[in-house]
Amino acid sequence: KAGVTQTPRYLIKTRGQQVTLSCSPISGHRSVSWYQQTPGQGLQFLFEYFSETQRNKGNFPGRFSGRQFSNSRSEMNVSTLELGDSALYLCASSSNGVGQGGEKLFFGSGTQLSVL
Amino acid sequence: SQQGEEDPQALSIQEGENATMNCSYKTSINNLQWYRQNSGRGLVHLILIRSNEREKHSGRLRVTLDTSKKSSSLLITASRAADTASYFCATVWNDYKLSFGAGTTVTVRA
Repeated sequence: KAGVTQTPRYLIKTRGQQVTLSCSPISGHRSVSWYQQTPGQGLQFLFEYFSETQRNKGNFPGRFSGRQFSNSRSEMNVSTLELGDSALYLCASSSNGVGQGGEKLFFGSGTQLSVL
Repeated sequence: SQQGEEDPQALSIQEGENATMNCSYKTSINNLQWYRQNSGRGLVHLILIRSNEREKHSGRLRVTLDTSKKSSSLLITASRAADTASYFCATVWNDYKLSFGAGTTVTVRA
């Protein structure tokens, strides 16, 4: 079974631009979560999608948005990039989400975004 | 914030020694999970312990959970160079999301 695939692996953008990151979950997984990882803030939850619906959202500005398609693939978009958006963006999938059932997450290798 | 805190922040040990790291959290949880991350890559799930469990083993890993103290520990026995990584605890306190701690960076010296 293929793992979680994130593209691209590396991305360099300039301030003010926008960027779209892609995540293909493990086949059969309906939940996709996104996390931002920086040295200063650690791993911060962005949002989670389940069956094409955003089910939960972290404390990020509206410049960060996402969506999920019918095949469970997900995209994350960041508009009007700021220097502070430089981070490793990680996508994770699971069958139904972590919830109370205690599922584990399967992570992709991440997209390293640098904003200049 | 529910985010856990790991202790120590960094740990350097000799190959063959044991490594212990601790995690504390703030509110009641459903379960607690430990993940490993190698050098800026994705996280890999190691072990999950539910709130009604006190100890769990998986290979060279041993996890304990003390809900009265809101803390957990991860023990790696007989460490190897391949265990060099960052280790994160993550708690599920609200449906649908994991809150991660800041992590413990473990270096295993040959």
